[in-house]
Amino acid sequence: EPEVTQTPSHQVTQMGQEVILRCVPISNHLYFYWYRQILGQKVEFLVSFYNNEISEKSEIFDDQFSVERPDGSNFTLKIRSTKLEDSAMYFCASSEAARDRGNYGYTFGSGTRLTVV
Amino acid sequence: AQKVTQAQTEISVVEKEDVTLDCVYETRDTTYYLFWYKQPPSGELVFLIRRNSFDEQNEISGRYSWNFQKSTSSFNFTITASQVVDSAVYFCALRPYNQGGKLIFGQGTELSVKP
Repeated sequence: EPEVTQTPSHQVTQMGQEVILRCVPISNHLYFYWYRQILGQKVEFLVSFYNNEISEKSEIFDDQFSVERPDGSNFTLKIRSTKLEDSAMYFCASSEAARDRGNYGYTFGSGTRLTVV
Repeated sequence: AQKVTQAQTEISVVEKEDVTLDCVYETRDTTYYLFWYKQPPSGELVFLIRRNSFDEQNEISGRYSWNFQKSTSSFNFTITASQVVDSAVYFCALRPYNQGGKLIFGQGTELSVKP
């Protein structure tokens, strides 16, 4: 079964450093997403991406965050200057376009645990 | 406002008991989609079910069943004859129609099944 692959599985970074989280979505999917889960809390939507542009973003997704699809396969989330409160599990997901525009599911990656020290 | 409420933070049962996880949602959309995900201790999100707002038929899959009631805006999940492997955090989620595909998650219910 096709998978969404995220690397690294765990990253430790110093506060103020830039970090890039990488994801390889399923190859025929067209919609890509990043979600965040602070330890012990709910999963929160960050951003959705379609046709090489952001289609929606949450309040969490401020100027410190950016997303990119630098080639045909990778989808990245960059945090420019990490803060302690950015420590969380970050999930990438992808979905395909469906004939019924709303009736589609998601495939989530296994997540990257980011620890900011 | 679009919102999902899972009022049960933690549930503990003994193996073979039945358990129901509650989910109440809020949306003004007439078309929307509801999901359940399982998050085992290893941390990944495992898809369990997707249901659209026009399909109120209940669903059963093995020991799992789902009860969707639009009248009460609820989408409850029942595990019959629970097993230790069912121990996980379970999330209910809502996808409003035509909003960039984002999922709105509830707070999650941590289910602990003891032998």
